[in-house]
Amino acid sequence: AQSVTQLDSHVSVSEGTPVLLRCNYSSSYSPSLFWYVQHPNKGLQLLLKYTSAATLVKGINGFEAEFKKSETSFHLTKPSAHMSDAAEYFCVVSDIESYQKVTFGIGTKLQVIP
Amino acid sequence: NAGVTQTPKFQVLKTGQSMTLQCAQDMNHEYMSWYRQDPGMGLRLIHYSVGAGITDQGEVPNGYNVSRSTTEDFPLRLLSAAPSQTSVYFCASSHDRDRGTSGDNEQFFGPGTRLTVL
Repeated sequence: AQSVTQLDSHVSVSEGTPVLLRCNYSSSYSPSLFWYVQHPNKGLQLLLKYTSAATLVKGINGFEAEFKKSETSFHLTKPSAHMSDAAEYFCVVSDIESYQKVTFGIGTKLQVIP
Repeated sequence: NAGVTQTPKFQVLKTGQSMTLQCAQDMNHEYMSWYRQDPGMGLRLIHYSVGAGITDQGEVPNGYNVSRSTTEDFPLRLLSAAPSQTSVYFCASSHDRDRGTSGDNEQFFGPGTRLTVL
């Protein structure tokens, strides 16, 4: 079985400071991992994905995430927050055993303070 | 290329009414799914389909039916609406994932349907 835990429901940062959104996963097999972003009253947009290639994954809008198998983590980072980054972020896991069933984390709301 | 489309965007129902949420995609994706999003619970999978004529239950299937007669369309039916089904519903699609490989199955989401059941 697969599962995903987003360790913070809310994160608040000042504009221009680094962003860290934490995600831990559980999977019996080699997982695919994703981060999606949802702006208020909008659908979900893919930020980045890990599918067993490079462990450091670069996404859109300056975000990146590092797959650490030993720590079962896939934390999302950005060096400098922008006001437009304020949104909800979802970590998602999918593995072969759960074929086509993806599991979402509960989400982390990012607040960016001017 | 419209991607994933959903109708309606908003809907208000009375308890016991039935309705169908429509979802369509024009990317020739094999896999389609329905999620509901509730505060503090993320997205939960209701039903999914890996191709025309094939559907399966997700995490929270009770009270919902689906069918997949074509590759493009994947409607979600509420049989007898209940207040507990008040939620935002998202449809998503992706290419099928190859068994035995770490396939790329990025999901594309529709804009959502906000449903209120009174």
